[in-house]
Amino acid sequence: GEDVEQSLFLSVREGDSSVINCTYTDSSSTYLYWYKQEPGAGLQLLTYIFSNMDMKQDQRLTVLLNKKDKHLSLRIADTQTGDSAIYFCAERGDKIIFGKGTRLHILP
Amino acid sequence: NAGVTQTPKFQVLKTGQSMTLQCAQDMNHNSMYWYRQDPGMGLRLIYYSASEGTTDKGEVPNGYNVSRLNKREFSLRLESAAPSQTSVYFCASSSSGGRGGDTQYFGPGTRLTVL
Repeated sequence: GEDVEQSLFLSVREGDSSVINCTYTDSSSTYLYWYKQEPGAGLQLLTYIFSNMDMKQDQRLTVLLNKKDKHLSLRIADTQTGDSAIYFCAERGDKIIFGKGTRLHILP
Repeated sequence: NAGVTQTPKFQVLKTGQSMTLQCAQDMNHNSMYWYRQDPGMGLRLIYYSASEGTTDKGEVPNGYNVSRLNKREFSLRLESAAPSQTSVYFCASSSSGGRGGDTQYFGPGTRLTVL
């Protein structure tokens, strides 16, 4: 069945770039999403990319999609303490499937 | 707009008790969803409602029932709570629910503990 895989943890120093990676299996995916979950809160959509795009940039966020390898990444430039959260990758084919989330920890 | 609201925020139940989690959205969305989030498991879909008057099972429906009361409201009922249902429950809504790029908007969650 369809699956979305992410690493569970990432530690990054404040001011550095964070890169969160995701792989998926459904080749019919039309959209891929990145959601952010802060402690005690629900998921908030950060950005999404259509499957026929390679890259999307939105201020400090850059999404890269390698459709051949079914690999999605989220780069956060100049990581701040407010970026500390769990980041979920999700893909939509016939249905939406979420990864288990990557917890981003910011080091001082 | 409040977006997606959920009540209650926290709940403690004893095994065998019943309760209903409430969800409402004011974005005129057609589709609504119930997920549970457990450590290391990510989000798992319990039930969804693609449109008013329809409901369908998701990945983990056992032990739950849902009601799409109207376009705004989608409730989740636990008839006889079990400790395995201890989790954080999220309601979400989206405009279409079908194929395409419709985004899901999430509520703040209900933290349920079953003793």
